[in-house]
Amino acid sequence: DQQVKQNSPSLSVQEGRISILNCDYTNSMFDYFLWYKKYPAEGPTFLISISSIKDKNEDGRFTVFLNKSAKHLSLHIVPSQPGDSAVYFCAASGKTGANNLFFGTGTRLTVIP
Amino acid sequence: DAGVTQSPTHLIKTRGQHVTLRCSPISGHKSVSWYQQVLGQGPQFIFQYYEKEERGRGNFPDRFSARQFPNYSSELNVNALLLGDSALYLCASSLDPAGLYFATNEKLFFGSGTQLSVL
Repeated sequence: DQQVKQNSPSLSVQEGRISILNCDYTNSMFDYFLWYKKYPAEGPTFLISISSIKDKNEDGRFTVFLNKSAKHLSLHIVPSQPGDSAVYFCAASGKTGANNLFFGTGTRLTVIP
Repeated sequence: DAGVTQSPTHLIKTRGQHVTLRCSPISGHKSVSWYQQVLGQGPQFIFQYYEKEERGRGNFPDRFSARQFPNYSSELNVNALLLGDSALYLCASSLDPAGLYFATNEKLFFGSGTQLSVL
């Protein structure tokens, strides 16, 4: 039972344009959401997070939007750079989740120079 | 500073064998978690240990076990290996048990993983 879903396995974007990665979740108990980036042969690295009490969090070129009523979040990267090419995982956890993160299946982003 | 280190990086086993995977957390981190990532899927939570005690367990059979040592390093053990156990096994460490207190912005730090192939 996949509680966090990333329905787009891949996305290609021109350098300088906006990349939008989407994520949906089913468990209304989730209250903390994170995005991780993964390069080949490396572990996932934390990118940005958002608490359920917010609807937007921004960090440089990266912005995460949360729509709790729709159980949907998105990651915007502006402007996209070739170095952003990686697999992006959406993850979620509840208040008592400890380190039990629920990950989506990932979206492979390719930024074309 | 060294990040999370895992050994070995690659491992090939046959069905029915036993395997032990090792993880050293970032210096000062007391919490270690294990995740399994099957090809084409996202990481799936297996265990979390904090101060040598199990703090969480995912939906995995009893063939999977783990422990944490006084120096906070950890081992993941898998008995009676099945073909379906072939996966990338990721270890992650954090300062606090939850690793998710946004006020302190603590996060999980992942190692590069151990790629296990079961033939």
